[in-house]
Amino acid sequence: SQQGEEDPQALSIQEGENATMNCSYKTSINNLQWYRQNSGRGLVHLILIRSNEREKHSGRLRVTLDTSKKSSSLLITASRAADTASYFCATAISRHNDYKLSFGAGTTVTVRA
Amino acid sequence: GAVVSQHPSRVICKSGTSVKIECRSLDFQATTMFWYRQFPKQSLMLMATSNEGSKATYEQGVEKDKFLINHASLTLSTLTVTSAHPEDSSFYICSARQDRGGSNQPQHFGDGTRLSIL
Repeated sequence: SQQGEEDPQALSIQEGENATMNCSYKTSINNLQWYRQNSGRGLVHLILIRSNEREKHSGRLRVTLDTSKKSSSLLITASRAADTASYFCATAISRHNDYKLSFGAGTTVTVRA
Repeated sequence: GAVVSQHPSRVICKSGTSVKIECRSLDFQATTMFWYRQFPKQSLMLMATSNEGSKATYEQGVEKDKFLINHASLTLSTLTVTSAHPEDSSFYICSARQDRGGSNQPQHFGDGTRLSIL
């Protein structure tokens, strides 16, 4: 079963605007990862944030993690048409001396030129 | 770096055919590989986890005799869908992880295989 829930399900913005999407989860995690998926393609890893980290940046991406609220957010600043894709959060949960990723349902982002 | 190659990208075949999908890590050794299934506009569902040289661990509800997984080397895992039927039509995605360096390692994904069974 999926652990993460993402909000909103879909987001449409104008090029240059910021896009924010949220992810909530239910159980303790090792880390939380964000991925991007272009239509019909595989997933591209964006950022991994560990459970003891609160914020992480990578280029135009900013991820926050609040373990007390069991939530994370992904902010894309100054969006571009090429940012149009589905974005998934995935929580890494310990299992049998390993961990597995549980994916949320994803947020579909459309950036209008 | 961290490129995962998945082949073929698309398969269309008749019901009853067995289909093999390959997943290769090109520039790193993948201690662990994962196979996912994704339905249209839905999330990824983990099917199984494979470690090099050992049997795959299947998720609940996934038929191990239907979806055969072989992780023969640190750079190659294969998924064989045996006697495929139309309900097996889906998007299958593999991913690989290099576990050296601890548990906080990202997974790297292939481009997926679109399987259509007629």
